[in-house]
Amino acid sequence: EVQLVESGGGLVQPGRSLKLSCLASGFTFSNYGMNWIRQAPGKGLEWVASISSSSSYIYYADTVKGRFTISRDNAKNTLYLQMTSLRSEDTALYYCARRLPGAFAYWGQGTLVTVSS
Amino acid sequence: DIQMTQSPSFLSASVGDRVTINCKASQNINKYLDWYQQKLGEAPKLLIYNTNSLHTGIPSRFSGSGSGTDFTLTISSLQPEDVATYFCLQHNSGSTFGSGTKLEIK
Repeated sequence: EVQLVESGGGLVQPGRSLKLSCLASGFTFSNYGMNWIRQAPGKGLEWVASISSSSSYIYYADTVKGRFTISRDNAKNTLYLQMTSLRSEDTALYYCARRLPGAFAYWGQGTLVTVSS
Repeated sequence: DIQMTQSPSFLSASVGDRVTINCKASQNINKYLDWYQQKLGEAPKLLIYNTNSLHTGIPSRFSGSGSGTDFTLTISSLQPEDVATYFCLQHNSGSTFGSGTKLEIK
């Protein structure tokens, strides 16, 4: 069974940094591209970043480009999202997700990031 | 960037009703349109991928149709457990979600 477990969320002041992790199991992690998707409280879904299986291809939403860095450690079956220069509008539940490929077929339960002074 | 316009934003229907939700893309996205269901407090769940392919374990009352820029999710006979918010997603170029449709039972 595919499982994705996010961690690392919390309350952080504007301008500070935070690093999220997503531990994957139930599939060969190194064979799949991975993604971060976020959802602000009571709002819709926003794709944030994606990384290919070997980290060769990385893409970001314009809203986080230059501030967030997606990475992965295939030996540890773990996906990361390093977030810097955080803003109040980054407050959201952050999900990691694996594509089918194409569609986002598997999602974690999310980790909540709150940016507030 | 491709924009997705989803309608309606809110929908109230009776058990057994046929329900349709629409998504319109700002440009041709071929068949690369998916539908997700999100129940309160849960992660989104994939229902339909690539316009009309039913994901594993999803009841057959859910179906998808469309092509190009106009797509539809249909629930053939609404059940109480279908209360949720539904989102579309295009992945033809990047990934863009629709704004969501909140479905309730009348």
